[in-house]
Amino acid sequence: EDKVVQSPLSLVVHEGDTVTLNCSYEVTNFRSLLWYKQEKKAPTFLFMLTSSGIEKKSGRLSSILDKKELFSILNITATQTGDSAVYLCAPGGTSYGKLTFGQGTILTVHP
Amino acid sequence: DAGVIQSPRHEVTEMGQEVTLRCKPISGHDYLFWYRQTMMRGLELLIYFNNNVPIDDSGMPEDRFSAKMPNASFSTLKIQPSEPRDSAVYFCASRGSREQYFGPGTRLTVT
Repeated sequence: EDKVVQSPLSLVVHEGDTVTLNCSYEVTNFRSLLWYKQEKKAPTFLFMLTSSGIEKKSGRLSSILDKKELFSILNITATQTGDSAVYLCAPGGTSYGKLTFGQGTILTVHP
Repeated sequence: DAGVIQSPRHEVTEMGQEVTLRCKPISGHDYLFWYRQTMMRGLELLIYFNNNVPIDDSGMPEDRFSAKMPNASFSTLKIQPSEPRDSAVYFCASRGSREQYFGPGTRLTVT
């Protein structure tokens, strides 16, 4: 059975802080890992990682995938109140795009 | 494109009643996914389709749940009879060549 563990489960910071969200996984026939952001609505796509390395988006967000150690990290620098959300990690292990979602990290950014 | 469309957005029903949730995927996407999200269990995959064919329904909790995709632009998730523990947000998502796009969800309350 595929497993995904995210940590921490919740995080409270102040604007301007840097945060690191962790995701470890065990997925059969791993193909890709996706990060989603969920505010009080549907999850929205952030990153898709298929190879070990770094991918950046919007400058303040970056993500690393380590396929050897089976984990991924999402970094957010210079946090803003608009970053407050649940961040979901979802590795995929089949060619059909089936994803297994972690329980999420609740990030709260105070002004 | 209008994105993934779900209806209704909110549904309140009494235990024992039949509930039908509807989804219109993004045009051209050949994968469709049904998820359920609760505080306790997070985001769970119920079933997914490829080219209108169900590929994996192992996440469907019981025989009370059924899903159909009669054509490329429409899918339904039916619960009959409904129970209070079915209360959750149900998301539909579709995928083309990369990430999954989520619909706004249907918030189901069974009293």
